Amino acid sequence: KQEVTQIPAALSVPEGENLVLNCSFTDSAIYNLQWFRQDPGKGLTSLLLIQSSQREQTSGRLNASLDKSSGRSTLYIAASQPGDSATYLCAVPADKLIFGTGTRLQVFP
Amino acid sequence: KAGVTQTPRYLIKTRGQQVTLSCSPISGHRSVSWYQQTPGQGLQFLFEYFSETQRNKGNFPGRFSGRQFSNSRSEMNVSTLELGDSALYLCASSLESPPNTEAFFGQGTRLTVV
Repeated sequence: KQEVTQIPAALSVPEGENLVLNCSFTDSAIYNLQWFRQDPGKGLTSLLLIQSSQREQTSGRLNASLDKSSGRSTLYIAASQPGDSATYLCAVPADKLIFGTGTRLQVFP
Repeated sequence: KAGVTQTPRYLIKTRGQQVTLSCSPISGHRSVSWYQQTPGQGLQFLFEYFSETQRNKGNFPGRFSGRQFSNSRSEMNVSTLELGDSALYLCASSLESPPNTEAFFGQGTRLTVV
């Protein structure tokens, strides 16, 4: 049974820092891995999708990496801004999406 | 290109009532999945529909049901509401059924049961 965990659970940093969020999964036989952002009380916004054949995927200040053999993905956020404050979720698909518990990020000015 | 639309955004219902939530997927997407999100349980899968057929179902009681129409719009219904049904209900739209597809979520419907 696939299990997904995220560390840290919460993170508070000053503006401008580079950040790394971690996502671990127990079954390496995945098709892809998706990173989402969720603002309080809102839906999920898809940030990046990494296919199993890819090692990295980039979008603006975001870079996600995938290491299937070790069951890990990282989301790198460069030059963080207060607007990046949100909860970040990773998800691995099976017959449904299996979500991690999320990392709550606060970036203060 | 319009995103995933969920209506209504907010609902307040009384215990014992029933409620219907609606989800319009991205044009061309045939799969719609529903999730319940609560602070204590996180995101839990309810069910997934593809081309009007339920393909997968989560571990929820029979009070939770859904359907999908020929235009891919989906509804979920919760009967005999309980206080514990208060949650954010999210739907996800994708071209195909999981796993080899990207999911896009709506803004959710916040259901409060009093």
